Amino acid sequence: GAGVSQSPSNKVTEKGKDVELRCDPISGHTALYWYRQSLGQGLEFLIYFQGNSAPDKSGLPSDRFSAERTGGSVSTLTIQRTQQEDSAVYLCASSLDPGETQYFGPGTRLLVL
Amino acid sequence: AQSVTQLGSHVSVSEGALVLLRCNYSSSVPPYLFWYVQYPNQGLQLLLKYTSAATLVKGINGFEAEFKKSETSFHLTKPSAHMSDAAEYFCAVTYTGANSKLTFGKGITLSVRP
Repeated sequence: GAGVSQSPSNKVTEKGKDVELRCDPISGHTALYWYRQSLGQGLEFLIYFQGNSAPDKSGLPSDRFSAERTGGSVSTLTIQRTQQEDSAVYLCASSLDPGETQYFGPGTRLLVL
Repeated sequence: AQSVTQLGSHVSVSEGALVLLRCNYSSSVPPYLFWYVQYPNQGLQLLLKYTSAATLVKGINGFEAEFKKSETSFHLTKPSAHMSDAAEYFCAVTYTGANSKLTFGKGITLSVRP
């Protein structure tokens, strides 16, 4: 079956622009996670969704970052007024339920110029 | 709070040699532990996981890891390295909490010499 997919695979933007990153989880997976992978910080948790609600947003680095999930499926991570330090690979993962194995997508590589 | 320590950032072995990648964890509750592998420009792929069943866990591609509570360790091993094992390896910890978010180590890059 299909795994987790993310789009775009690469995104180059200018400082100050807004970007949207999309994640399509594995069908039927109720839990969805966003992580960020950067050279300086390694892999960091950003936000967790259970269904359409986000009970844990503790990893979002600033109020420029937001995310939503609709229909218990697709999720969008939005970064407003991008900064150069936002450059990273953004990874999405999903699991059948919280505590089950998380399956990762290929990531979106974001470069802010 | 939970954390993972992966000492060193790079390990180099010869093809056919033993692979040993170290992982130590800190968790105030019984942990679930994972090893993921990341090949260049790809996402993370699960190698194996420990979820409080057998302490010796076998994964894909000939890898295995042993959970040692007394040493708070979950080291990854493979008896004989292949060139295709060259990648970055991440140890991660979580627990059966409200969301089970993963806390990752910094990762170790494995190089395999011919």
